[in-house]
Amino acid sequence: DGGITQSPKYLFRKEGQNVTLSCEQNLNHDAMYWYRQDPGQGLRLIYYSQIVNDFQKGDIAEGYSVSREKKESFPLTVTSAQKNPTAFYLCASSDYSGEAFFGQGTRLTVV
Amino acid sequence: AQRVTQPEKLLSVFKGAPVELKCNYSYSGSPELFWYVQYSRQRLQLLLRHISRESIKGFTADLNKGETSFHLKKPFAQEEDSAMYYCALRNTGNQFYFGTGTSLTVIP
Repeated sequence: DGGITQSPKYLFRKEGQNVTLSCEQNLNHDAMYWYRQDPGQGLRLIYYSQIVNDFQKGDIAEGYSVSREKKESFPLTVTSAQKNPTAFYLCASSDYSGEAFFGQGTRLTVV
Repeated sequence: AQRVTQPEKLLSVFKGAPVELKCNYSYSGSPELFWYVQYSRQRLQLLLRHISRESIKGFTADLNKGETSFHLKKPFAQEEDSAMYYCALRNTGNQFYFGTGTSLTVIP
């Protein structure tokens, strides 16, 4: 079954803790993306990667970090520096034909 | 910089009525425009893209470069069209930028 898998579906974090969201794809796509989805604000780009071992900041990268050691994987770490981390996080991938494919998302709640 | 604007957060129409979801964009280069849809409890998925110029599920969208618009239209709305719709722009760097979304409700 090809596609993008995000895990976990729900995640709870205590204030001051870092947490890592997983994103894996078996579509052989070069490009991968992380978005944050908040009510009324649509999808905002956090980080993107066009190729292994390379990634760029999006519009709201502060308080987040990523790595791209493998083509299939693009994990996102929400650090304690992120002031308002409670949100829905979406991972996506694309090839250069233009369509983006999305995971089911991870809902992060800070408790 | 690029920006995608969807002025309507909520839109309600009666079944069988025409529907138009508005999208405007700003981008200095030559953009590629998309409409993505998210049905209840499903992942975000592509509905259509301007370069294909095809109709998907009865929806069409025409890129108007003069007005920098990419409005989504359907002549007769169906209940199954109720969903969240996002307009998106892909720039030459292969980054996707999304609007804030329009929640469409089709009233039976």
